[in-house]
Amino acid sequence: KQEVTQIPAALSVPEGENLVLNCSFTDSAIYNLQWFRQDPGKGLTSLLLIQSSQREQTSGRLNASLDKSSGRSTLYIAASQPGDSATYLCAVRLRKTSYDKVIFGPGTSLSVIP
Amino acid sequence: DAGVTQSPTHLIKTRGQQVTLRCSPKSGHDTVSWYQQALGQGPQFIFQYYEEEERQRGNFPDRFSGHQFPNYSSELNVNALLLGDSALYLCASSFGTGAEAFFGQGTRLTVV
Repeated sequence: KQEVTQIPAALSVPEGENLVLNCSFTDSAIYNLQWFRQDPGKGLTSLLLIQSSQREQTSGRLNASLDKSSGRSTLYIAASQPGDSATYLCAVRLRKTSYDKVIFGPGTSLSVIP
Repeated sequence: DAGVTQSPTHLIKTRGQQVTLRCSPKSGHDTVSWYQQALGQGPQFIFQYYEEEERQRGNFPDRFSGHQFPNYSSELNVNALLLGDSALYLCASSFGTGAEAFFGQGTRLTVV
């Protein structure tokens, strides 16, 4: 069964801390991986997209890495701010001759305390 | 650039009814994907449309169907609504089937 898991499920940190969110996947046929944030009751905002041939991507205070061999991706957030409070989701696109699908993890709920 | 727009934003339907949700992709995008997100869970892939054809489909029954129009906009239709169909329905667009996806704000469907 193809699965995407995210650890931790919830995280609460004081403002200014650096933090790491984890995403793990079991299928090696990864085409790309995308990180999103979602505010309560809202749609998804794309943060970073990593192609299977890449090892990391950076945007501002965000850095995402991809290790295909271990089936893991991490999202690093530097100098966290209260505005970073949201649910963070990773989405893995799997592509083989027999299938092409996107699987989301359950998300990590982040709360940054002022 | 208006981004991905979905309508309506909220909808209440009765069990057994049919519903149509609409999505306009981001300017320049030709691929539309639909997702269902139950409360507290990650989105589940329903299907993807490209060149007016369903290209990929997730594990959803035939009650879920869709359409893509020549202007790349898309509709999601759900027949014989069940209480369990209550969810946030998200539309995502991209340029090509494997490119970065951009999401709309979703349609909140409540089935009573």
